[in-house]
Amino acid sequence: EAGVAQSPRYKIIEKRQSVAFWCNPISGHATLYWYQQILGQGPKLLIQFQNNGVVDDSQLPKDRFSAERLKGVDSTLKIQPAKLEDSAVYLCASSLEVARDNEQFFGPGTRLTVL
Amino acid sequence: GESVGLHLPTLSVQEGDNSIINCAYSNSASDYFIWYKQESGKGPQFIIDIRSNMDKRQGQRVTVLLNKTVKHLSLQIAATQPGDSAVYFCAENWGTGRRALTFGSGTRLQVQP
Repeated sequence: EAGVAQSPRYKIIEKRQSVAFWCNPISGHATLYWYQQILGQGPKLLIQFQNNGVVDDSQLPKDRFSAERLKGVDSTLKIQPAKLEDSAVYLCASSLEVARDNEQFFGPGTRLTVL
Repeated sequence: GESVGLHLPTLSVQEGDNSIINCAYSNSASDYFIWYKQESGKGPQFIIDIRSNMDKRQGQRVTVLLNKTVKHLSLQIAATQPGDSAVYFCAENWGTGRRALTFGSGTRLQVQP
């Protein structure tokens, strides 16, 4: 089966600019996650969707980050305006169901560099 | 692809040796744990998981050990191969409503041929 798709793979922007990332989860997966992975660290959850509803966005910096999953399939993550500390890899993951031990499948990530 | 982490703790082993990667988890309420492998330029890949009602679980060439008393998790890889070279993360989960994982900081495994 096809994996989680993300685009773009790389993005370089200047601080205070805006950027958007796109994720297409595995077909049929109800749960979608966005993680931020700063170099040298493990991924950190930003937001979790169940279908088109938000389950957990407690760690999303809502003053500059937003995400949506309008039709319960694809999702976009936006940063506006970007800061230097937003430089990281943004990973999208999906899982089939809400069960906690349901395996999460990760995409390749989008590497963001903020100059 | 770019490196996952340039300043991670590194474990260097010879091909064919066994590897042991350790992880100290943070939450005593955590009851589900996963080991992930992340190769350069790729997303994390599931290796093996374990629930807190177990202290050992075996997969193909991998074994996870859980010590809840000291909040310690380890991943053992038998007969390590060059393809095992990657960054390894442990992740934990807790609570009935929370689904997302909390990841540790990772260990880089380098396999010398």
